[in-house]
Amino acid sequence: KAGVTQTPRYLIKTRGQQVTLSCSPISGHRSVSWYQQTPGQGLQFLFEYFSETQRNKGNFPGRFSGRQFSNSRSEMNVSTLELGDSALYLCASSLEGENGYTFGSGTRLTVV
Amino acid sequence: AQSVTQPDIHITVSEGASLELRCNYSYGATPYLFWYVQSPGQGLQLLLKYFSGDTLVQGIKGFEAEFKRSQSSFNLRKPSVHWSDAAEYFCAVGGGGGADGLTFGKGTHLIIQP
Repeated sequence: KAGVTQTPRYLIKTRGQQVTLSCSPISGHRSVSWYQQTPGQGLQFLFEYFSETQRNKGNFPGRFSGRQFSNSRSEMNVSTLELGDSALYLCASSLEGENGYTFGSGTRLTVV
Repeated sequence: AQSVTQPDIHITVSEGASLELRCNYSYGATPYLFWYVQSPGQGLQLLLKYFSGDTLVQGIKGFEAEFKRSQSSFNLRKPSVHWSDAAEYFCAVGGGGGADGLTFGKGTHLIIQP
């Protein structure tokens, strides 16, 4: 079956702009979580959605937001982009109760 | 707060030699433990996971890990490495159910010498 699909793969934005990233989970997976990966901070948890509800959020400013649709696809939005937002953004989906996470290939965001 | 420590930033191993990557965790309850591998520019691939039961867990690509509660460790091992094993390895801990998210270690960069 198809894996976790993230689009786009690469993105270049200017400071101050906003960006939306998309994640399509594995079919049947209702939990979607997002992570930011940078060389300095490593992998950090952003937030997790289940059945269109945000269940948990990491320690990130309010500029980072997300949502989940009825088909479990998820989007994350970053407003007023800063240079420090440049990172690989990874999405993971999980089958509730299985407690395993399958990651997508990520979206590489560069802020200039 | 939960945390994961991978003490080795880089490890160099000769092809065919055995490998052990260390992972120590801190978690208030029964941990769910994972090892992931990441090749350059790619996402994370799950190698193995531990939830309960047998403390020695078998994963893909010939990897295994042993959960030791008394030492708060979950070390990854492979008896004989291949050049294709060169990658970044991450240990992670979570509370299960997906809601808490995963806490990752900083990763160990594995270099394979010919």
